[in-house]
Amino acid sequence: DGGITQSPKYLFRKEGQNVTLSCEQNLNHDAMYWYRQDPGQGLRLIYYSQIVNDFQKGDIAEGYSVSREKKESFPLTVTSAQKNPTAFYLCASTQFGHLNYGYTFGSGTRLTVV
Amino acid sequence: RKEVEQDPGPFNVPEGATVAFNCTYSNSASQSFFWYRQDCRKEPKLLMSVYSSGNEDGRFTAQLNRASQYISLLIRDSKLSDSATYLCVVNTEGYSTLTFGKGTMLLVSP
Repeated sequence: DGGITQSPKYLFRKEGQNVTLSCEQNLNHDAMYWYRQDPGQGLRLIYYSQIVNDFQKGDIAEGYSVSREKKESFPLTVTSAQKNPTAFYLCASTQFGHLNYGYTFGSGTRLTVV
Repeated sequence: RKEVEQDPGPFNVPEGATVAFNCTYSNSASQSFFWYRQDCRKEPKLLMSVYSSGNEDGRFTAQLNRASQYISLLIRDSKLSDSATYLCVVNTEGYSTLTFGKGTMLLVSP
């Protein structure tokens, strides 16, 4: 079955560490997105990519970095510059130019700073 | 003004009740609309798209009012399993990403 896989499901980060969250899809979607969700809050856009080797900052990109070397993969690195990284991170995808079909989401990664 | 606004709730209803949520959007260039359901600590999942003429899927009915710029979701015969947060999502012409409301929480009790 096609879908989006996020790993790990749970991640613990020490202060000052960089960590990378994985997002892989086999839906042949061009566009991929990273969102952050804090308890009781809505989704906030971190980065998105509409095509391989290209990506754009979202509303809260500071302290995060991404790469898009393959169509299937859009990893997110949470750097030590992100002061409050504890949150639920969601990856989504859609066919480029087909936002009218909505997003497909991965099951998320819950990141906790220890 | 926020682009997509929802009453956060929670809406507390007994099993079997009918409940309705509204969502307003500010950009008149918005062209497609969705309701997503998000269970606690899970990812959002598409519940239904909202069509101009309104549409129904079992116990769920979605309506769109372009003149007043709002969409609605009606749930009939509520089940315990309907307890979740319902996200209103909008696709606007010229935007590269979808716009999400913060969600309305529904709690269905026995």
